[in-house]
Amino acid sequence: AQTVTQSQPEMSVQEAETVTLSCTYDTSESDYYLFWYKQPPSRQMILVIRQEAYKQQNATENRFSVNFQKAAKSFSLKISDSQLGDSAMYFCAFLNYGGSQGNLIFGKGTKLSVKP
Amino acid sequence: KAGVTQTPRYLIKTRGQQVTLSCSPISGHRSVSWYQQTPGQGLQFLFEYFSETQRNKGNFPGRFSGRQFSNSRSEMNVSTLELGDSALYLCASSTGNSPLHFGNGTRLTVT
Repeated sequence: AQTVTQSQPEMSVQEAETVTLSCTYDTSESDYYLFWYKQPPSRQMILVIRQEAYKQQNATENRFSVNFQKAAKSFSLKISDSQLGDSAMYFCAFLNYGGSQGNLIFGKGTKLSVKP
Repeated sequence: KAGVTQTPRYLIKTRGQQVTLSCSPISGHRSVSWYQQTPGQGLQFLFEYFSETQRNKGNFPGRFSGRQFSNSRSEMNVSTLELGDSALYLCASSTGNSPLHFGNGTRLTVT
């Protein structure tokens, strides 16, 4: 069975600085997707970034980028130029390629606080 | 395009009662998934429906059930509520190879 581990329950960063959230996962599969979702106090889970395991290039979305290390089964999220609106819970998630699209496996989350 | 809509946003029930939660997916999305979120267990997959058929199911007791209608709207039902069922219930929809799009959730409190 796949597992996703986020070892940092809470993190804080000063506005405009850079922060990296860690995620490791365990799987015997070779094809899969990895995601970072953000959950602000509004409760809605918002997709931040997606990475296909077969792609060697790290995904990037504006200020958000990942460091995907397939051999190490590591998938960290870097947030550059942090903004107050980035304060939220961040969840790393795994999806087995070829499986049903709905069955995401989530980590326990990291609470990020951006301080002015 | 409207997002995933979940109703109601908040619900308070008593132990032993049953509850039905509703989810309207994004227009054109045929897959709907449900998740339970609690502080202790985190986010756990309940089940997924596609074209009115349950495609996948998580490790939850039979008190948790769901269904999907021909317009892709979905409902989940929890019977004989227990205190431990207090949680945020999230619904998500997707189409093809797209990532999941989540709603704002229904906060269920069982007293």
